[in-house]
Amino acid sequence: GAGVSQSPRYKVTKRGQDVALRCDPISGHVSLYWYRQALGQGPEFLTYFNYEAQQDKSGLPNDRFSAERPEGSISTLTIQRTEQRDSAMYRCASSSGLAGADTQYFGPGTRLTVL
Amino acid sequence: GEDVEQSLFLSVREGDSSVINCTYTDSSSTYLYWYKQEPGAGLQLLTYIFSNMDMKQDQRLTVLLNKKDKHLSLRIADTQTGDSAIYFCAESIDDYKLSFGAGTTVTVRA
Repeated sequence: GAGVSQSPRYKVTKRGQDVALRCDPISGHVSLYWYRQALGQGPEFLTYFNYEAQQDKSGLPNDRFSAERPEGSISTLTIQRTEQRDSAMYRCASSSGLAGADTQYFGPGTRLTVL
Repeated sequence: GEDVEQSLFLSVREGDSSVINCTYTDSSSTYLYWYKQEPGAGLQLLTYIFSNMDMKQDQRLTVLLNKKDKHLSLRIADTQTGDSAIYFCAESIDDYKLSFGAGTTVTVRA
């Protein structure tokens, strides 16, 4: 595709529900990243994939958060039993190579609101 | 909390130059980046600089890097109203993840 796409763009859910956020990277991009951005802050790293392998999940806040990229393309970030503190903008990025110098291109983000 | 620090706000008159400053902490960062975020839009990569460079110029944008002081700056020449946005400085950590500052909100006044 022309750029990184994310869906849904906005998600409102009730506390305790599970949510799944989708990221479709730029076609052919090997690496995929998830970040979370609180209001008034910069994005914070959550996790990263090379192809389908999750290389680093050190930024995931707790075990309610998980991510997968089963075929090395589309990725899903899942938050179980959502809490109000999970409300944020969730951003996905992709890069063409196996990390290193490659530039990360960001999608428009999914704004999650937990009521 | 961020290891990358930026001033939060900058107001500049249209046509003047804007300078946004940033300090970072990881001396092993290979690349340093400037991203732009406009309301309702994603993060747009503006420019980046390799850590062995002191300066990079790209049209109206000039990036200066002082590696000794871990200081990065972005200069926008002839600032226009379309330059009003939040600007994020970011450093690469372990050659893949980005650590961002909190962002500098630039307001361009006529």
